[in-house]
Amino acid sequence: GAVVSQHPSRVICKSGTSVKIECRSLDFQATTMFWYRQFPKKSLMLMATSNEGSKATYEQGVEKDKFLINHASLTLSTLTVTSAHPEDSSFYICSAIPLPGLAAYEQYFGPGTRLTVT
Amino acid sequence: SQQGEEDPQALSIQEGENATMNCSYKTSINNLQWYRQNSGRGLVHLILIRSNEREKHSGRLRVTLDTSKKSSSLLITASRAADTASYFCATDGSGGSNYKLTFGKGTLLTVNP
Repeated sequence: GAVVSQHPSRVICKSGTSVKIECRSLDFQATTMFWYRQFPKKSLMLMATSNEGSKATYEQGVEKDKFLINHASLTLSTLTVTSAHPEDSSFYICSAIPLPGLAAYEQYFGPGTRLTVT
Repeated sequence: SQQGEEDPQALSIQEGENATMNCSYKTSINNLQWYRQNSGRGLVHLILIRSNEREKHSGRLRVTLDTSKKSSSLLITASRAADTASYFCATDGSGGSNYKLTFGKGTLLTVNP
């Protein structure tokens, strides 16, 4: 149980285009999901907290107009990288916290999406 | 400086040996967790230790937590080549958030056959 999927796993796009990454909790509901960014051989940096039915909360320094987050249901959050540039190339990972009553202190992580902007 | 810093940054050992990785943090925490990440893959949760716990075991893993020193260690006993991965500690509770995780820089462990 507690599986989180991401789609796509890899994407290559041209500079200036937008890319949407999906994060789904497959067997549980999540009111809160997180989006992280990871550069090669570096740690995960939290970008934003995605809240179902409300606006996302962005970390300092993360452009909310560039990284659009939508959490339209209890099992799906999307991250759209708008007008992507080569410096946006990175590994994007989402995580989800099950609703209360399950393992609330554990975040379940998706497998990540490798974005390459050419 | 960064919350949750692991050392060493890289560790190379022979199969069968034990591997010890350390993590230090700066603010108060509710929980500390260790995760494993294979190259280019997602995170796998290994173990969680609460701030009122001092030691926890899970299979070949042993985690200690010293809140007075704001540090934790992860010991992998009888290592295997398949243990080769990056290991991250992550803390929560900083700034009052129970769920927001702050990750350390990670330790790259290489276990040579």
